[in-house]
Amino acid sequence: DTGVSQDPRHKITKRGQNVTFRCDPISEHNRLYWYRQTLGQGPEFLTYFQNEAQLEKSRLLSDRFSAERPKGSFSTLEIQRTEQGDSAMYLCASSPGSLDNTEAFFGQGTRLTVV
Amino acid sequence: LAKTTQPISMDSYEGQEVNITCSHNNIATNDYITWYQQFPSQGPRFIIQGYKTKVTNEVASLFIPADRKSSTLSLPRVSLSDTAVYYCLVGPREGGGNKLTFGTGTQLKVEL
Repeated sequence: DTGVSQDPRHKITKRGQNVTFRCDPISEHNRLYWYRQTLGQGPEFLTYFQNEAQLEKSRLLSDRFSAERPKGSFSTLEIQRTEQGDSAMYLCASSPGSLDNTEAFFGQGTRLTVV
Repeated sequence: LAKTTQPISMDSYEGQEVNITCSHNNIATNDYITWYQQFPSQGPRFIIQGYKTKVTNEVASLFIPADRKSSTLSLPRVSLSDTAVYYCLVGPREGGGNKLTFGTGTQLKVEL
């Protein structure tokens, strides 16, 4: 499968624990995005990378959240000291970053439940 | 980014044509209109994108009037598998997928 891959698909954690999610984008895509989606809402932008550079972060991304893309390939999203309000689907997307192709390809997401 | 308004839900039957209209009154000159489809427990999937007039691909058509203040996604002959949430997005086409701003979307339900 050459699509966007996210791991794990599901994560249940206790409040206060740290969690880390991984995203493997489509290999030649230089843009990578993280979104968060809660029930009944559309995805909300969190942050994005152009290669290894993190170019934009949403105000939704509190200081408990950190994202990295160290070699411009896969990315990780870490949430420290999780809270119940962090329970959501975390979606990763990638795109080629070219004018000719503006389509973003999404992974299947990681569903986080904080208990 | 331009705000979009679309119906919360729509119902249809298999074989019917479905038209979902999205309002975006404050669309900017360099904004494009993009539609995504999302099934439960999956990430959104790109359907179609356009700037003006009409765009058609193998899945859908997108109609954009001259003033570009609205757009209509047309799904021909829907089937049960088209039951999903459809999102209308408006924003600049900045070299391949700038950040996307999703609203709450339109839940389309297709029945037999």
